[in-house]
Order: sequence, then C-alpha cells, then structure tokens
Amino acid sequence: EAGVAQSPRYKIIEKRQSVAFWCNPISGHATLYWYQQILGQGPKLLIQFQNNGVVDDSQLPKDRFSAERLKGVDSTLKIQPAKLEDSAVYLCASSRRDRWNEQYFGPGTRLTVT
Amino acid sequence: GQQVMQIPQYQHVQEGEDFTTYCNSSTTLSNIQWYKQRPGGHPVFLIQLVKSGEVKKQKRLTFQFGEAKKNSSLHITATQTTDVGTYFCAVPFGDYKLSFGAGTTVTVRA
Repeated sequence: EAGVAQSPRYKIIEKRQSVAFWCNPISGHATLYWYQQILGQGPKLLIQFQNNGVVDDSQLPKDRFSAERLKGVDSTLKIQPAKLEDSAVYLCASSRRDRWNEQYFGPGTRLTVT
Repeated sequence: GQQVMQIPQYQHVQEGEDFTTYCNSSTTLSNIQWYKQRPGGHPVFLIQLVKSGEVKKQKRLTFQFGEAKKNSSLHITATQTTDVGTYFCAVPFGDYKLSFGAGTTVTVRA
C-alpha cells in the first residue's frame, strides 16, 4: 500500500510570509495528525483530525496556524505569517481508528524561515 | 501532553556491543509505543507494549514494559550500523493522541 505523501519536501521562506503544506494519508486511515519536529526534539502534536472533523487542536498556535481536512482525505496546514521559530520539520501521520497508536508518518516538509 | 523522559539522550556504541535505552514516566501508563527515526527520515512504528512486565523481541531488539507500567526499555544486542538513528518512546494522552519523548540518538563506531 502507498505510504503517507507530503509536499513540498523543502521550503524556504522569509519571516512574515505564508506557507502551506499538503498531506495525503494512507487510504482508509480515518485519523490524520500534523506534528512539528524541531531539530533534536521529538514530534509535537499540532492538530488531530478524525475523518474531516477536528478532534484536538489545543496545541495549534491558532493566531498563525490553520489546518483543514476536506472530504476526510487530504489535509493542508498553513502558517501565516511565519516566524523564525517556525523553522522545523512538519510531519503528517495517519492511522486506523482502531489502531491509532500505530501511526504512519510521511517524509515531512522541512521549513526554513529566514 | 504526558511527559516522558528518555535516557540517555545520546548513545555512542561500538559495533557489536549491546546497549539499553530507557523511557520513564511519573505516572502509570496504559501502553507505550516505540518508534525509530533514521537520520533524515521520518518516525517508523516499531512496537506497542500493553501488559505489565511485557517483553517483546524483534530480532536483536528487546522491548520491555516495567512491572509498574511507569517505564520501558529497549535493549539492542550486537549493534550494527543499521541501528543508527533516534529511538522515541511515545505514550498516550487524551483521546487517541501520542506524546513523544525527546529520543535517544544512537551512533555506531565501526
């Protein structure tokens, strides 16, 4: 089966610019997660979707970050405006609802904010 | 999220040697997961432990869940260069969410 797809793989932007990341989860996986991984740290959950509904976005900086999952499949994560501290790898993961702790990660998008 | 501490942060191992990395929680856990992230790669699920004292093996990797379900260990025997990477433990918090530790980064000397 195809894995989790993400694009772009790399992005360099200046602070105060906007950026968007795209994720296509594994077919049939109802749950989708976005994580932020800063260099040297473990992934930190930003938002969790169940089908096309948000389950938890308590750790999403909503003044600048937004995410959606239209039709319960693909998802986009947007940052507007970006700050220097947003430089990180943004990982998308998906899982089956009944095996949610077995998460499959995409290759990630490495964002550099200058 | 749930806080877990992983020790050591870095593990430098001679090829062929054994080592153990630990994941500790201040609270009782319902289960614990282990993931591996190769340099430049993404986390890959390795295993889930659920029962008190549970031991699971994957070839040269042995995973154990503590009797009190507050800690877990990963033991690798006869380390190979393919074992290079960062090993994360992840514990549940809230509904269907995982909190990842900071990881143990393993390097291997040939």
